Amino acid sequence: AQKVTQAQTEISVVEKEDVTLDCVYETRDTTYYLFWYKQPPSGELVFLIRRNSFDEQNEISGRYSWNFQKSTSSFNFTITASQVVDSAVYFCALSGATNKLIFGTGTLLAVQP
Amino acid sequence: GAVVSQHPSWVICKSGTSVKIECRSLDFQATTMFWYRQFPKQSLMLMATSNEGSKATYEQGVEKDKFLINHASLTLSTLTVTSAHPEDSSFYICSANGQRFPYEQYFGPGTRLTVT
Repeated sequence: AQKVTQAQTEISVVEKEDVTLDCVYETRDTTYYLFWYKQPPSGELVFLIRRNSFDEQNEISGRYSWNFQKSTSSFNFTITASQVVDSAVYFCALSGATNKLIFGTGTLLAVQP
Repeated sequence: GAVVSQHPSWVICKSGTSVKIECRSLDFQATTMFWYRQFPKQSLMLMATSNEGSKATYEQGVEKDKFLINHASLTLSTLTVTSAHPEDSSFYICSANGQRFPYEQYFGPGTRLTVT
């Protein structure tokens, strides 16, 4: 069975702090994809990143970075120098052989000014 | 590219009536479309998967007679909530993927349904 765990339900930080959102996944598929999405209060999902199971390189995009470690089945997301606009719910998701997306329960990030 | 639209963005209906939600891929052909439901402060739960021209595949626990899905073309899927009740009030989100990126789903903006 496939499963995505986001143990952090809510995180509150002050602007300019760095914050890491944790994601742990379970799958028996050898080929799979991991995703991060941002859901602001408007509700529309914003795609942040896709990573396939054969690419363990970390990725950096501006203030965002992702750390994929197959050894620990984790795909963590770090926001550097957080801003109020980063406040949202962040979902980690997994897609395997069935192409179905399995979402984690989400982490609500509140960035205080 | 890869834009998915939903209509309406929000709808209020009376208990017992039916509501249709449209999901369109605007600039690509969607071989598969997915329908999700999200209750407040909860995650997205997949309701069903549909392929153009064939019957939708529903997830366990989703009533197929209540949530009718029609994937009539490669750019349009509809979800009809029949005989809606207040417990059906939720945020419904569709997504689609195409042949070019079969492992990536493009999400619509969602439809907020309130049943009174």
